Amino acid sequence: EERMVESGGGLVQPGGSLRLSCAASGFTFSIYYMHWVRQAPGKGLVWVSRINTDGSSISYADSVKGRFTISRDNAKNTLYLQMNSLRDEDTAVYYCARDEVGAPNFWGQGTLVTVSS
Amino acid sequence: DIQMTQSPSTLSASVGDRVTITCRASQSINSWLAWYQQKPGKAPKLLIYKASSLETGVPSRFRGSGSGTEFTLTISSLQPDDFATYYCQQYNSYSRTFGQGTKVEIK
Repeated sequence: EERMVESGGGLVQPGGSLRLSCAASGFTFSIYYMHWVRQAPGKGLVWVSRINTDGSSISYADSVKGRFTISRDNAKNTLYLQMNSLRDEDTAVYYCARDEVGAPNFWGQGTLVTVSS
Repeated sequence: DIQMTQSPSTLSASVGDRVTITCRASQSINSWLAWYQQKPGKAPKLLIYKASSLETGVPSRFRGSGSGTEFTLTISSLQPDDFATYYCQQYNSYSRTFGQGTKVEIK
């Protein structure tokens, strides 16, 4: 069975850091582009970042550029999102998503990040 | 960045109704547009990609059309399972953007 499980969310103070992980299983992780997408409570979807198969091509939303870093370890079938200098407005459920058709078509269930003092 | 504008924000409809949601891009995105359905507390589900290609397993009552800057998602006969929020997303540029969402409510 194909699965992606996010972890690493939690409560962090403004200015703090957090690293999210997305563990993939049941499919060949290394052949897919991967994304992070977030959703603040009661709000819409916001694309955060994308990485290609070997990590050589990466893009970010302007709102996180310079603060967040996406990476992957194909040997461990895991996607990461290092989040630094966190702000209140980064509070959201963070989803990892697999890209098979140019757009994310398989999603994890999400992990909640709360930035608050 | 490319901005995506959906309309309406909320739509009230009955089972069996034909429903149309519009998504406009601030510049041409060719056909690089996807539509998602999201239910409360759940991850989004891809319905349509490349503007009009139906994702595997998605019922044929969902239809996407358009190119350039204007796109539509049509549900030909609304079913009880279709009450949800729908999002468009452009993937023409390295920076992807979603529309703000359209909530389809029971009338």
